Amino acid sequence: GEDVEQSLFLSVREGDSSVINCTYTDSSSTYLYWYKQEPGAGLQLLTYIFSNMDMKQDQRLTVLLNKKDKHLSLRIADTQTGDSAIYFCAERHGNTGKLIFGQGTTLQVKP
Amino acid sequence: EAGVVQSPRYKIIEKKQPVAFWCNPISGHNTLYWYRQNLGQGPELLIRYENEEAVDDSQLPKDRFSAERLKGVDSTLKIQPAELGDSAVYLCASSPSSRSGANVLTFGAGSRLTVL
Repeated sequence: GEDVEQSLFLSVREGDSSVINCTYTDSSSTYLYWYKQEPGAGLQLLTYIFSNMDMKQDQRLTVLLNKKDKHLSLRIADTQTGDSAIYFCAERHGNTGKLIFGQGTTLQVKP
Repeated sequence: EAGVVQSPRYKIIEKKQPVAFWCNPISGHNTLYWYRQNLGQGPELLIRYENEEAVDDSQLPKDRFSAERLKGVDSTLKIQPAELGDSAVYLCASSPSSRSGANVLTFGAGSRLTVL
């Protein structure tokens, strides 16, 4: 089936690292994505990873992919108050190309 | 470059009334998507267009929802009649092509519908 699961809430202090986790079920997923949504706005792509990679780093963002366990994580280094938002994990279904989103993780950054 | 443009941003209507949402995708993007995002949830696909052809509308409630993309550019999503459960944010997104590469979607800001 098609299912993407995320924890609902994460709270960190400014300057700490944040790690947001995601699990998915489709073993044929080709790409996995992280999107950010700020209040009243649409989704903004943060980064994505191809399924044959296990890590991708982009400035403060590090994506780790464990394909065997179908587990994806997003690490944000030196988290800032401007990082407070909802973060969505999404998988691209291998057969249909359809994008399946998780329910989102609300990141709260305390000063 | 202009992003994905949606209107209206907010709409409040009474149940059984019709409502329409408009989307103008990024220039040159062949694929256009309409998603519905319920409160506290991730977006769920309603319909996907490749140019003017609807290629995936399996999640569109066809008894009351309709969509069109007549010239393969901008698109309209209509609900008639609206029900209380239709209250949600309707997101439009576009991408260069759904058939190649990472197919990164760019989202509009969304149209928030409240049905009273």
